[in-house]
Amino acid sequence: DAGVTQSPTHLIKTRGQQVTLRCSPKSGHDTVSWYQQALGQGPQFIFQYYEEEERQRGNFPDRFSGHQFPNYSSELNVNALLLGDSALYLCASSSRQGAWGETQYFGPGTRLLVL
Amino acid sequence: GEDVEQSLFLSVREGDSSVINCTYTDSSSTYLYWYKQEPGAGLQLLTYIFSNMDMKQDQRLTVLLNKKDKHLSLRIADTQTGDSAIYFCAEKYQAGTALIFGKGTTLSVSS
Repeated sequence: DAGVTQSPTHLIKTRGQQVTLRCSPKSGHDTVSWYQQALGQGPQFIFQYYEEEERQRGNFPDRFSGHQFPNYSSELNVNALLLGDSALYLCASSSRQGAWGETQYFGPGTRLLVL
Repeated sequence: GEDVEQSLFLSVREGDSSVINCTYTDSSSTYLYWYKQEPGAGLQLLTYIFSNMDMKQDQRLTVLLNKKDKHLSLRIADTQTGDSAIYFCAEKYQAGTALIFGKGTTLSVSS
């Protein structure tokens, strides 16, 4: 049973560029959440997708956008990259939105470095 | 607003018990989680507890919840060098919403 997978594992971009990160949820899961983890910090919630729609959003600017596909996989897009966007981006999947006790399982993350 | 606080570092000797503490602020929190992160890796779910429980035990792990003081602890019995990692406490205060994480506690186990 494959867990949550993310690609690429590492990425280097320059300021002002755009980046797309990808996530495939754990088998049987239909909800994908994205988190940003800066160095030395805990993960911070970016947004959550369910049924191909953004269901909840954290305190992140519109430069951060996403998409969920019919097969439940998801993309995170970041436009006009800033140095402060350098972080580990984590994808988490769960089996359905709105269920009490629904646990989120995390992928290995994509480490983004903005120069 | 919601907030989760953890002590930053803990150092123990192999074979001892480790206790990692966490406090949270949102009284409506329902589920509280412990995740483990090894260097360069994602987060591994260790265990979770529902807010109407006081204790949960799972092999070497014991979670204690003091709802009155909004205090959560994770006890690792017989700590091994492989337990060295960063441990995150997280709360979820409504169904289907985000996890709110602390900054993590770095556990260092010496042999």
